[in-house]
Amino acid sequence: EIVLTQSPGTLSLSLGDRATLSCRASQNISSTFLAWYQQKPGQAPRLLIHDASSRATDVPDRFSGSGSGADFTLTISRLEPEDFAVYYCQQYGDSPLYTFGQGTKLEIK
Amino acid sequence: QVQLQESGPGLVKPSETLALTCTVSGGSITTNFWSWIRQPPGKGLEWIGSVFYSGRIRYNPSLKSRVTISVETSNNQVSLQVTSVTAADTAVYYCARSSGANRWFDPWGQGTLVIVSS
Repeated sequence: EIVLTQSPGTLSLSLGDRATLSCRASQNISSTFLAWYQQKPGQAPRLLIHDASSRATDVPDRFSGSGSGADFTLTISRLEPEDFAVYYCQQYGDSPLYTFGQGTKLEIK
Repeated sequence: QVQLQESGPGLVKPSETLALTCTVSGGSITTNFWSWIRQPPGKGLEWIGSVFYSGRIRYNPSLKSRVTISVETSNNQVSLQVTSVTAADTAVYYCARSSGANRWFDPWGQGTLVIVSS
C-alpha cells in the first residue's frame, strides 16, 4: 500500500502570502497518478490539480502543482480569502486503488 | 454537467446494514467508474470502492468483507451497502465520478452524514 504523508499538518499564513504544501509518497509513483483537492467546511472536496500539475476546470492560475517520484507540491501563489481550507493529495495505485493523504489545513494567520 | 446526489438514512443502529443511493443526473452512468468515499467527522478521506456499469468492481481491501457496491442503469443510480456497522462507520459518505481514466474523482456529490448509534 502506498502511504501519502502531507506536511505541514496546519499552515498559518496571511492574505497575499505564498503557500507551499507537501505530499510525500512512501514509494515512487507516476506523476500522472497524483491529484490535489480542496475542501471547505461543510462541502465536498473539489478537484484542483490532476496529473500532478494540470489544473482542473475553472481553477484559478494562482494554484499550481509540481513534483515527481515521491515528492509533490501544491503551491498557491498569492492567498485569497477563499483559499483557506483543507487540502488533500490522492494517488491512484494498486491496492488499495486510491489513497489520500491526511490533509493540510491552511488557516489565516 | 454531471451532478451526483446521495440519499439514505441518516441514522443506523450498530450491527445493522447501512444502505445509500447515489443518483447521477446530467450524464449517463454507463460512461465511467463511480466511486464511494467516506470521511469520519473531523478526519480524512477513505476510498470505499468503485464500480463500472458492466459490473466490474474494485473494493478497498480494508472494507471488502462488509461492502457491496452496485449499479442500476435504468435509474442512473449507484448503491452502497455496508454490513455489520459500528460507530467507526459514522461518516459523511460521498459518491464521485472516477475521471481521467479513473485516476481522480470529479465531480463529487454533496455527501450525506450517516451516524451509527443505538
